[in-house]
Amino acid sequence: AQSVTQPDIHITVSEGASLELRCNYSYGATPYLFWYVQSPGQGLQLLLKYFSGDTLVQGIKGFEAEFKRSQSSFNLRKPSVHWSDAAEYFCAVGATGGGATNKLIFGTGTLLAVQP
Amino acid sequence: DVKVTQSSRYLVKRTGEKVFLECVQDMDHENMFWYRQDPGLGLRLIYFSYDVKMKEKGDIPEGYSVSREKKERFSLILESASTNQTSMYLCASSSPQGIQYFGAGTRLSVL
Repeated sequence: AQSVTQPDIHITVSEGASLELRCNYSYGATPYLFWYVQSPGQGLQLLLKYFSGDTLVQGIKGFEAEFKRSQSSFNLRKPSVHWSDAAEYFCAVGATGGGATNKLIFGTGTLLAVQP
Repeated sequence: DVKVTQSSRYLVKRTGEKVFLECVQDMDHENMFWYRQDPGLGLRLIYFSYDVKMKEKGDIPEGYSVSREKKERFSLILESASTNQTSMYLCASSSPQGIQYFGAGTRLSVL
């Protein structure tokens, strides 16, 4: 069965420091992979996605993620964090091709706090 | 831009009430989803719909039902609200490529 693991429940970084949020997935084939961000009291916004091709994908707000098949990982990175990046981040995996229903499996999220 | 609109941001209901949560999308997407979000549990799928009048149970359908009479609208129904249904409810619609777009959420409190 598909699953997504985000091992870090809560991370605190200083403003201007680099960031890496971890995501590991379990899936039998090449998955579609996503990172979403949720600001307090809001819905989820898509940061970036991986479908195929270049394993390093760029997203909005200066984020990037790298798909590593050998490690079943899709870690999110940002070289310099801004205070406005404080939010909860969700990794998700979907069936290749979307399938009949485009269902996604979400991780439990990583809550990012940014210190001034 | 894709727009998914949930009719209420906050709702307070009493135990035993019938509750309707409405969701509308403007992108003519086939697939729509209802999730509930609880701290430490992430997003859990309640129901999804892949066409008008078509629906399938997700991972936690107990205590919920759904209605999709028109393509753009997907409603979540709590037949008899209970306190353990206090949660954040998120609606999403999905593009053909599999990208899900979310509404702002409805925070439901059942007293």
